[in-house]
Formats: sequence, C-alpha cells, structure tokens
Amino acid sequence: DADVTQTPRNRITKTGKRIMLECSQTKGHDRMYWYRQDPGLGLRLIYYSFDVKDINKGEISDGYSVSRQAQAKFSLSLESAIPNQTALYFCATSDPYRDDEQFFGPGTRLTVL
Amino acid sequence: QKEVEQNSGPLSVPEGAIASLNCTYSDRGSQSFFWYRQYSGKSPELIMFIYSNGDKEDGRFTAQLNKASQYVSLLIRDSQPSDSATYLCAAHSANDYKLSFGAGTTVTVRA
Repeated sequence: DADVTQTPRNRITKTGKRIMLECSQTKGHDRMYWYRQDPGLGLRLIYYSFDVKDINKGEISDGYSVSRQAQAKFSLSLESAIPNQTALYFCATSDPYRDDEQFFGPGTRLTVL
Repeated sequence: QKEVEQNSGPLSVPEGAIASLNCTYSDRGSQSFFWYRQYSGKSPELIMFIYSNGDKEDGRFTAQLNKASQYVSLLIRDSQPSDSATYLCAAHSANDYKLSFGAGTTVTVRA
C-alpha cells in the first residue's frame, strides 16, 4: 500500500469552481507539504505544516488555502479556480529526525478550463 | 534569482557513459542537499542526499558537495536507458527547514 496517497488523481474543472485536493499518509510523519509543478519551473512550495497546529505559507500561496485535519491528513483548496492553476500537484511528508527526506504522493493532475 | 539553479539540459548521453549534472544554490544557510529522480508523469523519488563537503557514492551514483563554491553535482556512471528521467536538485535550509528545488535537468540515455 502506498504510504502517501492523493485524491483525486486527475481532475478537470471550470474557472470559478471550488476544488479540494486531499492527501493522506501512513508514514507517521508530522511534516506535510503541498507543491505544484509546472513545466520548466520545478517544484514550488504552496503551503507546509510541521504539526497539526502549525500552518505556513510557501512561496506561491495566493489563491490557495489548506487544512490539517489530523497528523495524517492535509488538504489543499482552490477557493475559485483559475486557468493558471492548471498544474501537477504533489503532497509530501518528511521526518526531521531522518534527514528530513521528503516522500511524495503520486500527484494530482488538475486542469482548469 | 531562484535559490537553486540547475544546468538546463536536456542532456543526452550514450549508454555506458557518465552523465554529469550540476546545481548551484544561493542560500549559504543550506545544510543538506538532495537529488531526486522523476520519471515522466510520476512523483519524485530520492536518489541520495549529501551534507558534508566531498564525495558520496551509492552504487552508480556519486554526489559531490562544495559548500565554499555553493555547488552540488551528481554523476551517473555506466548510464542505462532506465536512467532516462528528470533529475531535481534540492537544498534544505537550516533556517526554515524547507526544501528549495531546482527546475530539473532532463537526461536521455541513448541505447
């Protein structure tokens, strides 16, 4: 079974719609992250959380919000989707006591029309 | 300026050759460095990490770190077609515990 799961894996939506991407992990890690990946730009950090009560903005948080419902769950929301939010979204987890290596989920491909 | 810059590629090498990937970083507070491999449409997976100056070898992969020059590299020896992927360099900051990723270098190994 996958340690980090994301749902949905693919989503097509329209401009203005609210979208939620969900991430669950069974690794027992406190730290969780949301990234987006665009061709030629690498991975860019949207939000991160070091424990259930800790939420931090990354470099591109505008237009996004997150919720850390439990240690194992971290959701990303697009309140009103726009076409330039079309991208591949990854959730990741890490353990600071094991070199903070990040483990990635399979990704969600989001298309906003 | 991005915090982590990689040679843009794409890089094409013949099977059995050495592929050399380079990465520079701007944050002198970065303490550890990671190389991830990402196949097309898949998630990144860790190849190796390094935090001490010098070389670190793991099988056919060697990471090199020079903190004075703020430079990290990855060598892939005896390249195989299965090594064809995009390689992401990442720097871990001791200040805010985040990873900053480069844009990636795409490697194609020709059979």
